[in-house]
Amino acid sequence: ELKVEQNPLFLSMQEGKNYTIYCNYSTTSDRLYWYRQDPGKSLESLFVLLSNGAVKQEGRLMASLDTKARLSTLHITAAVHDLSATYFCAVDILLQGAQKLVFGQGTRLTINP
Amino acid sequence: DTEVTQTPKHLVMGMTNKKSLKCEQHMGHRAMYWYKQKAKKPPELMFVYSYEKLSINESVPSRFSPECPNSSLLNLHLHALQPEDSALYLCASSHGGGPQETQYFGPGTRLLVL
Repeated sequence: ELKVEQNPLFLSMQEGKNYTIYCNYSTTSDRLYWYRQDPGKSLESLFVLLSNGAVKQEGRLMASLDTKARLSTLHITAAVHDLSATYFCAVDILLQGAQKLVFGQGTRLTINP
Repeated sequence: DTEVTQTPKHLVMGMTNKKSLKCEQHMGHRAMYWYKQKAKKPPELMFVYSYEKLSINESVPSRFSPECPNSSLLNLHLHALQPEDSALYLCASSHGGGPQETQYFGPGTRLLVL
């Protein structure tokens, strides 16, 4: 059974600081995703990482993938309050010809002024 | 059009009611999904339709009945729900194949069962 684990689950940080969220998964997968969810809202796709060593950046967020270690990281640079949200990583498996996403528990990020 | 829409946004129903949730996309996506999300938890997959056929049913109770009338529409029919079914119900869609396969989520329907 595919398991996806994130840490930390809660993160409170100051504006301007850097931090990293980690996502470990238990079995081989083709793709790893990062989503953002604001309170009471839906999920917004941030990144899809396809291959070992893949790195993608958007603004202050950078995601990377190490398929050998089954580890992805989401790095936040010089955090700003607007980045406060819950961040989910997810790994997909093909099941009966369809994609199934298995999500991590989520990391609730609070950025304080 | 690059969005997934869901109606209604909020729904309150009694345990004897029958109601339906609706999801629509006009991105030409051929895969559509229903997820259930409880507060402070990740989304849990319920159903997947691929090319209008039910591909995955994650052992969901029969009081939830999905329907895919065409490639743009996905319904979730609700009947005799329990209070523990109260949650945010999210619909998503994706192309249905390809290396960059990404699921795009709708805004959700917040359901309260009394």
